[in-house]
Amino acid sequence: GAVVSQHPSWVICKSGTSVKIECRSLDFQATTMFWYRQFPKQSLMLMATSNEGSKATYEQGVEKDKFLINHASLTLSTLTVTSAHPEDSSFYICSALVAAGRYNEQFFGPGTRLTVL
Amino acid sequence: AQSVSQHNHHVILSEAASLELGCNYSYGGTVNLFWYVQYPGQHLQLLLKYFSGDPLVKGIKGFEAEFIKSKFSFNLRKPSVQWSDTAEYFCAVTSRGYQKVTFGTGTKLQVIP
Repeated sequence: GAVVSQHPSWVICKSGTSVKIECRSLDFQATTMFWYRQFPKQSLMLMATSNEGSKATYEQGVEKDKFLINHASLTLSTLTVTSAHPEDSSFYICSALVAAGRYNEQFFGPGTRLTVL
Repeated sequence: AQSVSQHNHHVILSEAASLELGCNYSYGGTVNLFWYVQYPGQHLQLLLKYFSGDPLVKGIKGFEAEFIKSKFSFNLRKPSVQWSDTAEYFCAVTSRGYQKVTFGTGTKLQVIP
């Protein structure tokens, strides 16, 4: 199956700093990637849809100025958490879409655990 | 809009017991259905998926799921669970023309040795 990687796998930062998380599709090209966050013992919550070469589409309630998404190539999307605060601590997961006709499936990265002190 | 509900939030079973986790979705069109597993401290892994054809889908690690269109259900089953199946299980759906994945709230399975 298609492989998606994320880097870093975990990061600890001080409050007020910015953190960049990378999501790469390793063996396929993905025009569409998604970013999720998962709080402890909860399901995945979609944050935004990242489209190569265009602006990301954010879900309701997600601050686009705080969570900057860049999808500059067909294999890389980045999520930057700007001016991070402790409440931004979470597990961030990306996925890459493979779609053809009625078939569409997302392949998930291993996630990045962010801890903001 | 599509939605997914998992009615079992926390299931506790003894080893060798049979498992069935419920999943119902709401969407009137053609759907793609998935079950994912998340072991403690690990990332999401695909257990099985249904796109079309045989409604009984077999996945990895002895899991299977049955798509019953009339009931809008896609229940996950395993005839005999093991302690290593302790994990959280998520049902998910996408649909033709709607690429976002909608996840259920998850079911935490605890298998007691």
